[in-house]
Amino acid sequence: SQKIEQNSEALNIQEGKTATLTCNYTNYSPAYLQWYRQDPGRGPVFLLLIRENEKEKRKERLKVTFDTTLKQSLFHITASQPADSATYLCALPYSGGYQKVTFGTGTKLQVIP
Amino acid sequence: EAQVTQNPRYLITVTGKKLTVTCSQNMNHEYMSWYRQDPGLGLRQIYYSMNVEVTDKGDVPEGYKVSRKEKRNFPLILESPSPNQTSLYFCASSSGGKVTDTQYFGPGTRLTVL
Repeated sequence: SQKIEQNSEALNIQEGKTATLTCNYTNYSPAYLQWYRQDPGRGPVFLLLIRENEKEKRKERLKVTFDTTLKQSLFHITASQPADSATYLCALPYSGGYQKVTFGTGTKLQVIP
Repeated sequence: EAQVTQNPRYLITVTGKKLTVTCSQNMNHEYMSWYRQDPGLGLRQIYYSMNVEVTDKGDVPEGYKVSRKEKRNFPLILESPSPNQTSLYFCASSSGGKVTDTQYFGPGTRLTVL
């Protein structure tokens, strides 16, 4: 069955540095991948979608890459700020359709002032 | 304001007592979905609906029912709740009929089944 792996350990970085989060997947060739941000006790908020034919996508300080050969997506936050502290989730559609989706367990990012 | 609302936000109940968690969106979205979130397991899809009267199972549908009689509403029904359904529940919606579109999540409902 398809599986998504995100680093379950929290990532602590210094303010101003670039944070890099990883999403690996197996047994699947998704047409796209999404990244969400989730703050404690709140619903996820959509950040970026990258399609299989897009190697990289940017939005302000955010950058996502998608390597279908490595079956991996990297999520970067440049010039990180304490307000970026949150859990970041990646999500992929189910094989065979765009109606179902699988989420990773998320990586908790802590930006230290 | 465009939003997804859920009620109640917090609920403590006992095993076997039927309950309904409501979900409503004001964005005229066709696609709606329910998820549960548990520590270490992440978000798991329970049911989804691509339009009125069209619903289908997600990854963990056992013990849950849904209905989609109106476009804006997508209630989650637990006919006979059990302690293993204690979880944080999220409703989400997206435009179009597929999850490829941006999903907007509700604030969550924290359910405890004793």
